Amino acid sequence: AQKVTQAQTEISVVEKEDVTLDCVYETRDTTYYLFWYKQPPSGELVFLIRRNSFDEQNEISGRYSWNFQKSTSSFNFTITASQVVDSAVYFCALSETGGYNKLIFGAGTRLAVHP
Amino acid sequence: EPEVTQTPSHQVTQMGQEVILRCVPISNHLYFYWYRQILGQKVEFLVSFYNNEISEKSEIFDDQFSVERPDGSNFTLKIRSTKLEDSAMYFCASRGRDGAEAFFGQGTRLTVV
Repeated sequence: AQKVTQAQTEISVVEKEDVTLDCVYETRDTTYYLFWYKQPPSGELVFLIRRNSFDEQNEISGRYSWNFQKSTSSFNFTITASQVVDSAVYFCALSETGGYNKLIFGAGTRLAVHP
Repeated sequence: EPEVTQTPSHQVTQMGQEVILRCVPISNHLYFYWYRQILGQKVEFLVSFYNNEISEKSEIFDDQFSVERPDGSNFTLKIRSTKLEDSAMYFCASRGRDGAEAFFGQGTRLTVV
């Protein structure tokens, strides 16, 4: 069965600190996709990144970076030099192949960045 | 930039009433979804829709729920007889191809009183 675990319910940091959000997934498929979404206080879901199971390269986008390790079934997300605007709930999600396949979301990690 | 649009943004309804939540997916997308998020909880899959039919539905999506794509642009979720526990944020999403990211609408907050 597919499952996504985000063990950190809430994280609180002070601005400019680095913070890593953990994501562990389970799937029987050999081909799958992993995603991170941001849900700011306004409530919408904002796509951040997609990674397919064959691409284990880490990715960096500005202050954001992602570390995908198939050996540990993890897809962790690091924010460097956090800012107050990063305060949000962050969801990790898994999708198996097949275009209509649903996203399975983790429970989310609420990040609070304080000035 | 193309986006998924949902209306209304907030709906209050009395228990037992029917509600229709509306979505306009991104125009060249092929796969459509409804998800639900009860306040403070995770985002849960309800139903996926492809080629004018339901491709998968969750246990939550019982006989009280139905979806339609009546005119090739709108995608609707109907709840026939709302219950208090249907109160949640409902998100519509669409994706263009296998493995692509899903784009979400801004959500409809449904409050059943």
